[in-house]
Amino acid sequence: GQQVMQIPQYQHVQEGEDFTTYCNSSTTLSNIQWYKQRPGGHPVFLIQLVKSGEVKKQKRLTFQFGEAKKNSSLHITATQTTDVGTYFCAVLHSGAGSYQLTFGKGTKLSVIP
Amino acid sequence: KAGVTQTPRYLIKTRGQQVTLSCSPISGHRSVSWYQQTPGQGLQFLFEYFSETQRNKGNFPGRFSGRQFSNSRSEMNVSTLELGDSALYLCASFSGGSGANVLTFGAGSRLTVL
Repeated sequence: GQQVMQIPQYQHVQEGEDFTTYCNSSTTLSNIQWYKQRPGGHPVFLIQLVKSGEVKKQKRLTFQFGEAKKNSSLHITATQTTDVGTYFCAVLHSGAGSYQLTFGKGTKLSVIP
Repeated sequence: KAGVTQTPRYLIKTRGQQVTLSCSPISGHRSVSWYQQTPGQGLQFLFEYFSETQRNKGNFPGRFSGRQFSNSRSEMNVSTLELGDSALYLCASFSGGSGANVLTFGAGSRLTVL
């Protein structure tokens, strides 16, 4: 299946600073999804990207899918303490009617107030 | 509508025991999948069920099994527990269609094996 590498593993930022996490693959991805998991919580779907060069925004969050569909990024502008958590990229595989997510290892974001 | 419900939320077992975890998907969702989350391995796919049939299985030993009932509720079972089975077990309910293919996760069952 399509594997994804995610960097950095950890990121500590001062509140108000920007944050970016990257997801990379050696093969072309059919799609990329992003999830957020708050401390002690469960992954929550943020967005799905499927088109080459696609850019989507959700308030302070900007998601990009690379032109070659081998990488993706999540950028948060002016972080807030509510942004704390682990951000995962994932690829949704569908075959024979089955759906399966392959996750990156995640980037754990800490925001220093 | 109600989300994905997993029970129990926390449990402690000893090595060699077995455990059964339950998941009720979002009403109307027929696909349920299970994931294991550990600090070392991250989130890993266990299996997926649709209409009482296992459609896909991850790379886990046979000690991990599951089933789905006619009302789409699913259970997973781990037999002969090992220390390494300590993890957060997440169930996800799938919604396909014309929009994004979204998996909605439950709060998880945190299993500690002593």
